[in-house]
Amino acid sequence: GIQVEQSPPDLILQEGANSTLRCNFSDSVNNLQWFHQNPWGQLINLFYIPSGTKQNGRLSATTVATERYSLLYISSSQTTDSGVYFCAVETGTASKLTFGTGTRLQVTL
Amino acid sequence: KAGVTQTPRYLIKTRGQQVTLSCSPISGHRSVSWYQQTPGQGLQFLFEYFSETQRNKGNFPGRFSGRQFSNSRSEMNVSTLELGDSALYLCASSWTGPPYEQYFGPGTRLTVT
Repeated sequence: GIQVEQSPPDLILQEGANSTLRCNFSDSVNNLQWFHQNPWGQLINLFYIPSGTKQNGRLSATTVATERYSLLYISSSQTTDSGVYFCAVETGTASKLTFGTGTRLQVTL
Repeated sequence: KAGVTQTPRYLIKTRGQQVTLSCSPISGHRSVSWYQQTPGQGLQFLFEYFSETQRNKGNFPGRFSGRQFSNSRSEMNVSTLELGDSALYLCASSWTGPPYEQYFGPGTRLTVT
């Protein structure tokens, strides 16, 4: 099956710093989503981005499908950005997401 | 529009028992998927239901089963619980056609003792 790798596995930032999270995948994908898992376990949708670039406030994402990677940018980080960020992809089979292992982000004051 | 809801939110069971978890999708969504999250294995796909039919299944033993009702609500059942079944169980729903963006519920945290 498809492999999804995320880097870095852990990231510690000071409030106000910028960061880039990466997601590499081993095969062509139909869909790609970025999620933020809050401390209570809920997965919050950040982006649905099988290709191209999207922006939402301080967050933006870019997927280069031909090169099989996606990037999530967080600018001016805040403590509320802390948590685990997951990339998930879907190949051929609708509604079956394969998740990466996540990037654990801690934003300190 | 209300989000995906899951009940119960927390559950403690004993080895050998069985458990049923419930998921109500976003109104209008007909696809419901279930995922298991553990520290060791991460987030793994269990199965997906669409129009009351299981459309996809992950690599889990037959003790894990599910069903979907005509109103798109879904249940999953785990029989003969094992300690390793302790996990966060997440349900997601999506629209029938593209985009196939999935929206997740808050999860049910199951502890097996």
